[in-house]
Amino acid sequence: SQKIEQNSEALNIQEGKTATLTCNYTNYSPAYLQWYRQDPGRGPVFLLLIRENEKEKRKERLKVTFDTTLKQSLFHITASQPADSATYLCALGHYNNNDMRFGAGTRLTVKP
Amino acid sequence: DAGVTQSPTHLIKTRGQQVTLRCSPKSGHDTVSWYQQALGQGPQFIFQYYEEEERQRGNFPDRFSGHQFPNYSSELNVNALLLGDSALYLCASSGHTQYFGPGTRLTVL
Repeated sequence: SQKIEQNSEALNIQEGKTATLTCNYTNYSPAYLQWYRQDPGRGPVFLLLIRENEKEKRKERLKVTFDTTLKQSLFHITASQPADSATYLCALGHYNNNDMRFGAGTRLTVKP
Repeated sequence: DAGVTQSPTHLIKTRGQQVTLRCSPKSGHDTVSWYQQALGQGPQFIFQYYEEEERQRGNFPDRFSGHQFPNYSSELNVNALLLGDSALYLCASSGHTQYFGPGTRLTVL
């Protein structure tokens, strides 16, 4: 069965460091992968989308990589700040399928 | 420009009851998807509505039903509530890049 695993439930890092979150999947061939941020009690907020034919995408302090051979995406936040503390979700999808599959998320805490 | 709105914010029901949750999509968006998010889990796709029809459904029983109105707003109905239905119910509008609402926290006692 399809499985999406995000590296750990929680990740604690020091302010200014780079946070790296992992999303691994099995038995799935997504056309694209998305990353969302979710704060407690709120809905997810879209951050970045990367397509299967793209290796890397950047947006300000965010960088996403997508390796379809390893079936893995890495999500980096450089120069992290306490305001980056949140749960980050990866989601896999297909253009002809509206059933987006989400990982359980990684809770990131950036300490001052 | 209002984003996706959902009501109510919180709801407490007892087992066996029925519940209706509401969603208004972002202005200009005609597609609405519903998700269930249990504590500590990612959202799970329930179904999607487009042009007032259910376009696709996830792995949820028939107790979960929905509706979309001509103004694109949508309702999620859950019958015969179970304890396991306690979750955050999220509505999202538009297509592959989804805009989520704040959710409705449903507690079933």
